[in-house]
Amino acid sequence: ILNVEQSPQSLHVQEGDSTNFTCSFPSSNFYALHWYRWETAKSPEALFVMTLNGDEKKKGRISATLNTKEGYSYLYIKGSQPEDSATYLCAFNGGTSYGKLTFGQGTILTVHP
Amino acid sequence: GAVVSQHPSRVICKSGTSVKIECRSLDFQATTMFWYRQFPKQSLMLMATSNEGSKATYEQGVEKDKFLINHASLTLSTLTVTSAHPEDSSFYICSARDKGFYEQYFGPGTRLTVT
Repeated sequence: ILNVEQSPQSLHVQEGDSTNFTCSFPSSNFYALHWYRWETAKSPEALFVMTLNGDEKKKGRISATLNTKEGYSYLYIKGSQPEDSATYLCAFNGGTSYGKLTFGQGTILTVHP
Repeated sequence: GAVVSQHPSRVICKSGTSVKIECRSLDFQATTMFWYRQFPKQSLMLMATSNEGSKATYEQGVEKDKFLINHASLTLSTLTVTSAHPEDSSFYICSARDKGFYEQYFGPGTRLTVT
């Protein structure tokens, strides 16, 4: 059974704060690491797919880094806005090219105006 | 682009009946589709993987005779919960992927309540 853990489980920040969350995953048989943003009543939105150790990806104010050797990824949000409030999920693909994902439980972010 | 729809969004059915959930990729070819289930306060758990035109592969502990999956075309997969019981009440969500791409795109999910 693969263990994918996210921390913290929830986070409350003020508008304008920068924040980050962690996803830890097995360091063996790595194929890809996915980050999703999930707002209530909507489809999870794909943020990043990371495949190489040392990968850094950026999308607007959101960025992510990847360390496959130690088995963790960080997601950063710079200058949080209320519309960033959502659940952020990471998902690990351990060596399967057909795409089987194992999800963490998510980090619930609430940004207060 | 990369939109996946799922229907219905919510369904309430009586114990013993069957329920069909549809998952469609609207603007790309979904060579592989995935079905997940989420119980309260738990993470998304993969139930099965289906490739167009072939039988689905079920995860350990998922009853294939209870959760029938059909992936008859490159844009449509269906999940049928047969003889539903209250313990099948859950949130079901599908994702779709095109061959050769890493990304998986999700539908909005279906909340099933069995009374």
